[in-house]
Amino acid sequence: IMLTQSPATLSVTPGESISLSCRASQSISTNLHWYQQKPNESPRVLIKYASQSISGIPSRFSGSGSGTDFTLNINRVEPEDFSVYYCQQSNSWPLTFGSGTKLEIK
Amino acid sequence: EVQLVESGGGLVQPGRSLKLSCAASGFTFSNYGMHWIRQAPTKGLEWVASISPSGGSTYYRDSVKGRFTISRDNAKSTLYLQMDSLRSEDTATYYCATDDAISYYFDYWGQGVMVTVSS
Repeated sequence: IMLTQSPATLSVTPGESISLSCRASQSISTNLHWYQQKPNESPRVLIKYASQSISGIPSRFSGSGSGTDFTLNINRVEPEDFSVYYCQQSNSWPLTFGSGTKLEIK
Repeated sequence: EVQLVESGGGLVQPGRSLKLSCAASGFTFSNYGMHWIRQAPTKGLEWVASISPSGGSTYYRDSVKGRFTISRDNAKSTLYLQMDSLRSEDTATYYCATDDAISYYFDYWGQGVMVTVSS
């Protein structure tokens, strides 16, 4: 299953609210998860099963979608949010990631 | 606190072998599926292999099938990745990760270990 993330890069000003897209090549129900990776750090999970929150993750991060279209929302981007975001599907083998969206400061 | 610590990386010539280890602590290792994910320099994340809690089921991406072997020692709370017939395209940082014992998403990650395949 291919996951297509868009845009590849998003330039925003801190305080803006944004949406990142992840589209699957076939239906994956809600078996879609979002990760954040800061430079020189390991990824961390932000959202599981499309919309379920993760303990310790700020509430400004939320997810939605099912089937083939998914969205990660960040309400009022903070300076520490500038990093790369990946989606990943766990619906079927092989497990796959999207190519990532880089969130950069405008 | 969950901790995953990878080791065993380094520089290796094409065609040679390397074995990675991931020492786990802070959770009941034998209850969770474990995974290896890699990231080539400046590239995105790529799933490599997975193993069930008992070790009875294993899964691989096509490009490493027949060359890599994932295994685990539940008594030692340690995950392994035996990498044979290494190629330059295997050069990457390798991360081990847990799942949530229900599905295959990556709940906790190690710090990663670098593998460089070059002559």
